[in-house]
Amino acid sequence: TQLLEQSPQFLSIQEGENLTVYCNSSSVFSSLQWYRQEPGEGPVLLVTVVTGGEVKKLKRLTFQFGDARKDSSLHITAAQPGDTGLYLCAPTAGSNYKLTFGKGTLLTVNP
Amino acid sequence: DTAVSQTPKYLVTQMGNDKSIKCEQNLGHDTMYWYKQDSKKFLKIMFSYNNKELIINETVPNRFSPKSPDKAHLNLHINSLELGDSAVYFCASSQDQFGTQSSYNEQFFGPGTRLTVL
Repeated sequence: TQLLEQSPQFLSIQEGENLTVYCNSSSVFSSLQWYRQEPGEGPVLLVTVVTGGEVKKLKRLTFQFGDARKDSSLHITAAQPGDTGLYLCAPTAGSNYKLTFGKGTLLTVNP
Repeated sequence: DTAVSQTPKYLVTQMGNDKSIKCEQNLGHDTMYWYKQDSKKFLKIMFSYNNKELIINETVPNRFSPKSPDKAHLNLHINSLELGDSAVYFCASSQDQFGTQSSYNEQFFGPGTRLTVL
């Protein structure tokens, strides 16, 4: 069974600060997706990373896939209140590419 | 136009009742899913259908029965509701099913149905 951990579980910061959240496992991932879920809404895909060491940028968000494809990080620069939400990582592993969601990091950015 | 829609948005009912949640997607996707998100925000897959056929059933109690009349609809019927069934239920869809690497299986989620069992 794949053990998937996201950290921190909760994060509350002030507008303008930088932050990094993590997604770790002992298993090798085929690919990994990051989703953001805003209050009262369903999750929305932010990015998919596939290659070990891959870095993808989405405006102020930087996603990195670990070289060994066992972990990933999401860095947000100059956080804004609109970044508030639950950030979920969802790796796939094995031949069936089944998505398994982590428990998420609940981010609150205060004005 | 809403890509993935669910009804109702909120559902409050008594223990022991039977209820249904409906889901429709207008994206032309072949695969649909039901997820349960508990009070701690843990999102767990329940079922997956591909072209109206069940492909994933994640040890969900028999009281939960999904039904897919066509590939654009996946409804969830729950019998004999229990207190522990209280959660937010999300429907989702994707272009391809698991095992199709080319799409990396991006999932499009509905807005959720908050079920409260009293």
